[in-house]
Amino acid sequence: GAVVSQHPSRVICKSGTSVKIECRSLDFQATTMFWYRQFPKQSLMLMATSNEGSKATYEQGVEKDKFLINHASLTLSTLTVTSAHPEDSSFYICSARSEPTYEQYFGPGTRLTVT
Amino acid sequence: QKEVEQNSGPLSVPEGAIASLNCTYSDRGSQSFFWYRQYSGKSPELIMSIYSNGDKEDGRFTAQLNKASQYVSLLIRDSQPSDSATYLCAVLDSNYQLIWGAGTKLIIKP
Repeated sequence: GAVVSQHPSRVICKSGTSVKIECRSLDFQATTMFWYRQFPKQSLMLMATSNEGSKATYEQGVEKDKFLINHASLTLSTLTVTSAHPEDSSFYICSARSEPTYEQYFGPGTRLTVT
Repeated sequence: QKEVEQNSGPLSVPEGAIASLNCTYSDRGSQSFFWYRQYSGKSPELIMSIYSNGDKEDGRFTAQLNKASQYVSLLIRDSQPSDSATYLCAVLDSNYQLIWGAGTKLIIKP
């Protein structure tokens, strides 16, 4: 149980374009999902908390107009990187929180490369 | 500021031995504790959850929790080269926020 999918697994885009990443909880409903970013050899960095039916909560320093998050259903959250730049190239990982244990289950991640 | 601390390692353990990974946390009100394994280039995978004082065993893994000492550990018995990874400790604090440790890199030497 507790499977989270994430698509695409890898994407290359040109500078200035937008990229949408989908995160789905396949076998449980998730009121809360999370988006993380991880640079090589560095720790996970929480970008934002996504709550179904309400606005996402962004961590300090994360531009909410650049990283658009939508959590339209109990099984789907999306992250759109708008006007991507090379410095946005990173490994983006979503997770879904299972209630009532608060365990977080991670998707396999999306490797974004902006050229 | 609430913190979760782990030794960054690398921790080198011979194959077949017991690997011991440790984590301390600052928020006494924390109630839930998690261990994740992350292979290089992959996303984290939940391997153990523990909620009450004492030991919890699952296969070769044992999680130990001591709330009085604010200490949680993970033991891996009969370590295998495939256990080589970074192990992340995560603590659910009194505000139900998950606080992450920076991780300990474990290397199992054949």
